[in-house]
Amino acid sequence: EAGVTQFPSHSVIEKGQTVTLRCDPISGHDNLYWYRRVMGKEIKFLLHFVKESKQDESGMPNNRFLAERTGGTYSTLKVQPAELEDSGVYFCASSQAGTRGGYTFGSGTRLTVV
Amino acid sequence: AQSVTQPDIHITVSEGASLELRCNYSYGATPYLFWYVQSPGQGLQLLLKYFSGDTLVQGIKGFEAEFKRSQSSFNLRKPSVHWSDAAEYFCAVGQLKAAGNKLTFGGGTRVLVKP
Repeated sequence: EAGVTQFPSHSVIEKGQTVTLRCDPISGHDNLYWYRRVMGKEIKFLLHFVKESKQDESGMPNNRFLAERTGGTYSTLKVQPAELEDSGVYFCASSQAGTRGGYTFGSGTRLTVV
Repeated sequence: AQSVTQPDIHITVSEGASLELRCNYSYGATPYLFWYVQSPGQGLQLLLKYFSGDTLVQGIKGFEAEFKRSQSSFNLRKPSVHWSDAAEYFCAVGQLKAAGNKLTFGGGTRVLVKP
């Protein structure tokens, strides 16, 4: 079984540019989560999809962040325009419907905004 | 609001020695507790989880954790550490909702293993 795949693994962009992160969950997993770890801080919840619907987006920092999940399969997280404080590691995770966790994480995308 | 505290940012342990990582949580109801490990260049891997029942939980890679409600703790232990256990370890508490499980993480403990 393929795991949760994230790409790119690293991205370096300039302040003001746009970046799109992609996550491919495990096939058949209805739940998809995005988390972020800013340097030196805790891993923080961003949002949760159930299939293609946003179940909880309470952790999204501001309207520069836009997450989508096309057809309930892969998900993208777009940051536009990127700011310096957006630098960090963005993790995606997925789980089956009804599971009580823990879910399976991807290896993350390290985003550096310069 | 729920929170998780991992008091130790770094721990250094000799190979073959025992390891204990501390985790304290704050949660209003029965917590769902997890330990994850992140090895260099890897994603977060689930070591073990506690939902209910036996308070001593066995996980992968020889790890175990004990839930102590009176102390609001869920400490992780391993009797004999291997060099491959050098990694960062995260404790998390889960908020089970109707659909899905949102996690709150502690700040992590980085473990260095000396030969």
